[in-house]
Amino acid sequence: AQSVTQLGSHVSVSEGALVLLRCNYSSSVPPYLFWYVQYPNQGLQLLLKYTTGATLVKGINGFEAEFKKSETSFHLTKPSAHMSDAAEYFCAVTSPLIYNQGGKLIFGQGTELSVKP
Amino acid sequence: NAGVTQTPKFQVLKTGQSMTLQCAQDMNHEYMSWYRQDPGMGLRLIHYSVGAGITDQGEVPNGYNVSRSTTEDFPLRLLSAAPSQTSVYFCASSRRGDRSYEQYFGPGTRLTVT
Repeated sequence: AQSVTQLGSHVSVSEGALVLLRCNYSSSVPPYLFWYVQYPNQGLQLLLKYTTGATLVKGINGFEAEFKKSETSFHLTKPSAHMSDAAEYFCAVTSPLIYNQGGKLIFGQGTELSVKP
Repeated sequence: NAGVTQTPKFQVLKTGQSMTLQCAQDMNHEYMSWYRQDPGMGLRLIHYSVGAGITDQGEVPNGYNVSRSTTEDFPLRLLSAAPSQTSVYFCASSRRGDRSYEQYFGPGTRLTVT
């Protein structure tokens, strides 16, 4: 079975400060990991993904995440927060080694990011 | 290319009523899924499909039915609505053979059951 835990349901940072959103996963097989962003009253948009290869992945809007197998983590960072980053962020996991897993994502509980001026 | 579309955007039902949430995609994706989003619980998988005629249950299937007669459409049926089904529902699709397994989401349907 796979699961995702996002530490902190709400994170507040000042504009220009570092953004760090934490995600830990559990998976008995090599995982594929995703971060999605949801702006108010909108659907989900993919920020970035890790499948194989380089463990530091860069996404849209200046975000990046590092896959750390030893820590079972996939934390999302951005060096300098912008007001437009205020949104809810979801970490998700799946695996190509589980039969017909392509239609299934397991999500974390979400972290709401607030950015103070 | 419209991507994943969902109708309606908003719906209010009375307890016991039935309805169908529509989902369609024009990307010829084999995989389609339904999720519900509730505060503090993230998104939870209701049902998913790996191709026309093939569906399976996700984490929270009770009270919902699906069928998939075409590649494009994947409707979600609420048989007898309950207040616990008040939620935002998202449909998603992805391509078999896409090594990234990236899912594309629709804009959502906000359902209230009174």
